[in-house]
Amino acid sequence: EIVLTQSPGTLSLSPGERATLSCRPSQSVGTSYLAWYQQKPGQAPRLLIYGASSRATGIPDRFSGSWSGTDFTLSISRLEPEDFAVYYCQQYGSSITFGGGTKVEIK
Amino acid sequence: EVQLVESGGGLVQPGESLRLSCAVSGFSVSTNYMTWVRQAPGKGLEWVSVIYSADNTDYTDSVKGRFTISRDNSKNTVYLHMSSLRAEDTAVYYCARDHRFGGYDEAFDIWGQGTMVTVSS
Repeated sequence: EIVLTQSPGTLSLSPGERATLSCRPSQSVGTSYLAWYQQKPGQAPRLLIYGASSRATGIPDRFSGSWSGTDFTLSISRLEPEDFAVYYCQQYGSSITFGGGTKVEIK
Repeated sequence: EVQLVESGGGLVQPGESLRLSCAVSGFSVSTNYMTWVRQAPGKGLEWVSVIYSADNTDYTDSVKGRFTISRDNSKNTVYLHMSSLRAEDTAVYYCARDHRFGGYDEAFDIWGQGTMVTVSS
C-alpha cells in the first residue's frame, strides 16, 4: 500500500498569505494519479486538483498543484477566508489511498 | 442537476448488517465508476470500495469479505452492503463519482453529503 505523508499537519496563516502544502508518497506515483481535495467542517470533500496540476471545474486559479521528483505540492497563492479548511492528497496509482490531511487555520 | 444522495445509515450492533444507498441524478451509474469513501469521527478520509463500469469491483483490505458494492442501473443507484460490522466501521460514508478526465487522469469529482454509520452495543 502506498502511504501518503502530508506536511505540515497544521498550517497557521493569515488571509492574503501564501500556503504551501506537501504530499510525499512512500513509493513512486504517476502524476496522473495524484489529486487534492478540500474539506470544510460538516461538509463532503471537494475536488480541487487532479492529475497533479489540473484544476477541477470552478476552482479558482489561486489554487495550483505541482510536483518535483516524487513529491507533490498544493499551493494557495493568497488565502481567502473561505480557504481555511483541511486538505487531503489522494493517489490512485496503486489501489487508492489518502494522506492524513493538512489543516490550514487562521493565525 | 448532478446530485448524489446517500441514505441507509444508522446505529447497529457489532456483527449486524446494513445497506447504504446512493441515489444518483444527472448522470448514469451504468457508464461511470462509483466509489465509497468513509471518514471516522475526527479522522481523515479512507477509501472503501469502487465499482467499475464492467461491474468489476475492488475493496480496501479491512472490508474485503464483509462489504459488497453493487448498482441498480434501472434505479440509477449504487449500494454498499455491509455485514459483520465492527466498531471500527463507525464513520460517515460518502458516495462519489470516480471520474476519468481523459488520458490517465482520474479523481473523485462529485460527492454526496454522506450518511453516518455507528456500530455500537
